[in-house]
Amino acid sequence: EAQVTQNPRYLITVTGKKLTVTCSQNMNHEYMSWYRQDPGLGLRQIYYSMNVEVTDKGDVPEGYKVSRKEKRNFPLILESPSPNQTSLYFCASSLGGLFTDTQYFGPGTRLTVL
Amino acid sequence: AQSVAQPEDQVNVAEGNPLTVKCTYSVSGNPYLFWYVQYPNRGLQFLLKYITGDNLVKGSYGFEAEFNKSQTSFHLKKPSALVSDSALYFCAVSPDRGSTLGRLYFGRGTQLTVWP
Repeated sequence: EAQVTQNPRYLITVTGKKLTVTCSQNMNHEYMSWYRQDPGLGLRQIYYSMNVEVTDKGDVPEGYKVSRKEKRNFPLILESPSPNQTSLYFCASSLGGLFTDTQYFGPGTRLTVL
Repeated sequence: AQSVAQPEDQVNVAEGNPLTVKCTYSVSGNPYLFWYVQYPNRGLQFLLKYITGDNLVKGSYGFEAEFNKSQTSFHLKKPSALVSDSALYFCAVSPDRGSTLGRLYFGRGTQLTVWP
């Protein structure tokens, strides 16, 4: 089944404890992106990747890192999480660019930083 | 600066009536416009997009959207609402400039409730 998977789905952690949220797609998509969703703020793009080894900042990259070493995976790294990073995170992918192809979203990761 | 505005946090409509969810945008250059929907417990899904061509775009589940360049709007519409259309709707815009390909700006979302 074609899908975007995220792990973990739920995570409660403490300030400063490094964590990684994994994102994987099995559709051979070139484009991948991370978003966070907060009440009243909608969705905001964190980072995106047009292809392997190509990543760019979105709206709110501060406090996050990403890497794209292989096409299928696009992990989101929080080196030193803080409470303001408590949010619902979505990973997404599309075959080519946003303009030509539909973007598919993962199920979301709900992160709480205490 | 690029931005998207969804002026209504909430839209309520009776089943069978037409619905409109509003979206206006500000972007440099030609805009690429999208609508996404978030159903409860079903994640985010793509609904439709405008890239170029006909100003009226048709998408999934009977939805359509009209691009109006002079009013910088991209309102989502459906002729006859269903209770199952109740969800959170997001408008998004991407500028067409080469250096920002891949950037996507979302509005804050509009909660649509369709009453039986």
